[in-house]
Formats: sequence, structure tokens, C-alpha cells
Amino acid sequence: AQSVTQLDSQVPVFEEAPVELRCNYSSSVSVYLFWYVQYPNQGLQLLLKYLSGSTLVKGINGFEAEFNKSQTSFHLRKPSVHISDTAEYFCAVSDLNDYKLSFGAGTTVTVRA
Amino acid sequence: DAGVTQSPTHLIKTRGQQVTLRCSPKSGHDTVSWYQQALGQGPQFIFQYYEEEERQRGNFPDRFSGHQFPNYSSELNVNALLLGDSALYLCASSLGQGEHNVPQHFGDGTRLSIL
Repeated sequence: AQSVTQLDSQVPVFEEAPVELRCNYSSSVSVYLFWYVQYPNQGLQLLLKYLSGSTLVKGINGFEAEFNKSQTSFHLRKPSVHISDTAEYFCAVSDLNDYKLSFGAGTTVTVRA
Repeated sequence: DAGVTQSPTHLIKTRGQQVTLRCSPKSGHDTVSWYQQALGQGPQFIFQYYEEEERQRGNFPDRFSGHQFPNYSSELNVNALLLGDSALYLCASSLGQGEHNVPQHFGDGTRLSIL
């Protein structure tokens, strides 16, 4: 079985500053990794995914993440945030032979002017 | 092209009642997964339907059941509602096989409140 730990529950950040959201996972097999964003009163929107290949993955809205197999991590970064990036961010993992996503508890990002 | 649509958006029930939530997958998708998201937590997998059968189930009691129709739409039924069933219920759709099976398209959810 796989599990996900998001190391920061809340991340306050000033507008135009960089942000990093940390995610560690545990699994006995190879995995797919995902980051989702959830705006208030909405569902989940996929930011980016790692399936195979290059360990640096670029997503929508200027986000990127790096898969580190030795450290079992998949941290999300953005070099310059906007007020509109204020949201809840979820890291998720899926085993290659599984059909479900296992989510972390989420990180609340609050961007201030 | 419509994405994943869910109905209703909000629902209020009392303990012991039964509820049915509905989901239409994104066009071209044949697989539907249901997740429960309690307040302040990440979504938890309930089950997945493919070819009108429950293909995988998470750690939820038998009070939670589902159905998939020939047009790939799906229903989630919850019987004997408990206060702890209050949550946002999310539906996700995907293709049935390979790496595309992992849900990447979610609806906006149904907010269920139990009084």
C-alpha cells in the first residue's frame, strides 16, 4: 500500500516570491505521482503528473515538480506566485497496477500582497 | 466539451436517511471513480466502476454502494446516513486501461451535510 505525507500544512508567501511545497511518498512498487490544486468550493484540477521519463515535470500555471526516487519525494515549486495561486494543494500517488489515487492531507497556500 | 459533471451540488439529509449522488464522466471516458473528502482532509478513494462493474474498492462500509450505466454515468448510494458521512463527494473520470486510467479529471463535487 502507498501513502503520502505533505510536510507543510500551511504555507504563507508574499506575491512574486518563490514557493516550494514538499511531498514524500512511500510505496513498495513503482508509482505515478500527481499534484492537484483545489480552489474554494471547487473540485480538483490537475497541475502536473509524473508517469515516467524526465524527473523534472512542468505543469500548468508555471508550476513544476521534481521526482526524486532515492528520497521518495515529489516537491512542487513555482518561481513567482500570484494572488490567484491562493488555494489548497494536494500531492497524490498511484501504484502502476492500481486504480486509485492516495492523497496527502493537503497544503494551504496563502499569497499576500 | 463538457468535463465531469455532478449533481446535485448541495444536499442536506438527516441521520438514517439514504442518498443518491450522480456523475457524468468527461466525453470519451469510460471509467468513474468516487472519492470522499472530509473537511480539512485529502480525498479518500471509495470505489471505481468500469464496464458497469465495481473494479476496486477502498476502505468504506457496505452502506456505500454504486452503479454504472451503459452510457458510463454513475451513481453513488449511501444508506443509513451517519453524521460522519458529511463531506464533499468527488467524482473523477478516466479511460479504463493503462496510464490513462488514473483519474485526472474531477467534477466540482456534491456537498453532503447530515443533520
